[in-house]
Amino acid sequence: RKEVEQDPGPFNVPEGATVAFNCTYSNSASQSFFWYRQDCRKEPKLLMSVYSSGNEDGRFTAQLNRASQYISLLIRDSKLSDSATYLCVVGVDSNYQLIWGAGTKLIIKP
Amino acid sequence: DAGVTQSPTHLIKTRGQHVTLRCSPISGHKSVSWYQQVLGQGPQFIFQYYEKEERGRGNFPDRFSARQFPNYSSELNVNALLLGDSALYLCASSRRQGVFDEQYFGPGTRLTVT
Repeated sequence: RKEVEQDPGPFNVPEGATVAFNCTYSNSASQSFFWYRQDCRKEPKLLMSVYSSGNEDGRFTAQLNRASQYISLLIRDSKLSDSATYLCVVGVDSNYQLIWGAGTKLIIKP
Repeated sequence: DAGVTQSPTHLIKTRGQHVTLRCSPISGHKSVSWYQQVLGQGPQFIFQYYEKEERGRGNFPDRFSARQFPNYSSELNVNALLLGDSALYLCASSRRQGVFDEQYFGPGTRLTVT
């Protein structure tokens, strides 16, 4: 079983729709959680950190469920520019490791 | 301010050779992490350095080594290259050690081993 698992997609979604991604992690000692975005042949960039209370940034909402060990990302009113791969990242501070999922590819269609 | 820079951008090596990749962090950042990313996968953690000391190491063989210099720049060395080492090597900098800070990535070095 992979330490961080994501549905690889691709998710083909019409512009303006709402799309949700889930990510599960196996290490219960995980202490930090992030969503990064990676455009084709570019470096990853932080989309948002994920806090226990959940957090929202504009059209993006992230949730953390520690009991079930999953993280979610919701994108509302999707734009063409949201097309990218979304990477779920989990941090284990005891060994300074960030564990990355393989990413979910999102394609927004006009 | 300049972002994270990496050199070279592309590199072609043959099996058995060694390679040195370089990274300069954002000014004021003291932590540098190295990752390997193969096509279709997320980045795999190789090392984290902070204040010139190795703070974390991923599941990579001893052929991989790194160091951090007094100006916080870093080098990743890979010896006895294998075909499977072909990948994008990413460097990321952050202000502090650990896993709680945002990581800022450089554009990467694309290594091809033939």
